Order: sequence, then C-alpha cells, then structure tokens
Amino acid sequence: TQLLEQSPQFLSIQEGENLTVYCNSSSVFSSLQWYRQEPGEGPVLLVTVVTGGEVKKLKRLTFQFGDARKDSSLHITAAQPGDTGLYLCAGSLTGGGNKLTFGTGTQLKVEL
Amino acid sequence: GAGVSQSPSNKVTEKGKDVELRCDPISGHTALYWYRQSLGQGLEFLIYFQGNSAPDKSGLPSDRFSAERTGGSVSTLTIQRTQQEDSAVYLCASSLSSGAAYEQYFGPGTRLTVT
Repeated sequence: TQLLEQSPQFLSIQEGENLTVYCNSSSVFSSLQWYRQEPGEGPVLLVTVVTGGEVKKLKRLTFQFGDARKDSSLHITAAQPGDTGLYLCAGSLTGGGNKLTFGTGTQLKVEL
Repeated sequence: GAGVSQSPSNKVTEKGKDVELRCDPISGHTALYWYRQSLGQGLEFLIYFQGNSAPDKSGLPSDRFSAERTGGSVSTLTIQRTQQEDSAVYLCASSLSSGAAYEQYFGPGTRLTVT
C-alpha cells in the first residue's frame, strides 16, 4: 500500500508552460517535503512545509500543504529545461518517528 | 564540505552471495538513514540510526538484511544470500539529528544488480 500517491506519474511539456504536481494521502503528516532527483544522484530537498494551509514560494516553484495536512501540491511557472527531473514528495507521519515516507514520484521532462 | 558518500557506486553480484554497502555520512551528523529505490516500489525506508543505535528497523524486508554503525559515523548495510528482488539503488542519508525538523542529505546511492 502506497501511502503517498503522486500525479501525474509522467509529464512532458514545452519550455514556458506551467504545471502542477499533486501528492495525496489518506494519512496525516506532521510535515511534508518535496525533493528533486536527477539520474545517478540522490534526492535533493527543495522545501519543507509543516503547517496546514501553508504556501511557500521558491523562485518559480510554489508549494502548498493542504489544510488537513494530508496532501500537497507543487506548481512550476514557466518551466525550463533545467527543471527536468524526478520530483518526489515525502512525509513524516504523525507519530511515525523520523523515517520519511516517499511518494510514487513524478518524472518531468521540459523540452525546448 | 564533503557530502554523504557511498561505496561502491555499482555492484553486480550473483544470486546467493553476500554484499556489503558502505555509507559515510556528513561529519557531525548523528542520524543516518538507509532507503531503497526500485522501479516497482519507489523509494522505501529501511532503517535509521541515532548514533550507533537503530531505534527503527521496521523497513528491513527480511532477516537477510542487517545494518550497523560504528563510532557514530560509517554505516554498513549487509545483504546475505542475495536474491534478484534485492536489485535496486540503495540510498543513504544523514542529518544533524533525528527528527522531522532536520533536513536529510542523500548520497548518490549504490546500484545493486543481482544476476
């Protein structure tokens, strides 16, 4: 059973387009993180959200944590080829200790 | 400074052999995590250490898997009698301390192929 479902699984878009990736669960998370992973490397943290309803912006990336702390979204404005990669959401379950539960992943390709 | 390093970067082994995977965390990081990433299962937690103790081993898939950490630094993940389903990328991460508030920094992983 996958606790965190991401959609879409794959996304291929043209440079300049906007996109949104969703991360959904039926479980409540004390915090949720977004990572980007490139081939042959480990995931790199983009942002952590901890408060229900929280919105964080990182340049062209906007992250939102659902009010009930069960879901999150990542919105990229004016995507660039450098945004290409595997995007992973990961959460710390309330009472679940320190381990991260990762989402199923969204493979993004941005073409010129 | 140096990040998390893992060795070997690639390992091909025959079914039934034992393998050892090594992780060198960032200096000063007391918490260390092992994850496994495979096509079918995504990225899964295996075990974490706080210092040399492993408070959570819940993700180890079978008793063929074990891990230790010595001196609060280097960790070794051992897989005995490897099976083809063990083929995956094994990722190590470290953080300043345990707890969701501390960022986990990941190494590049060890790609294990069991033939």
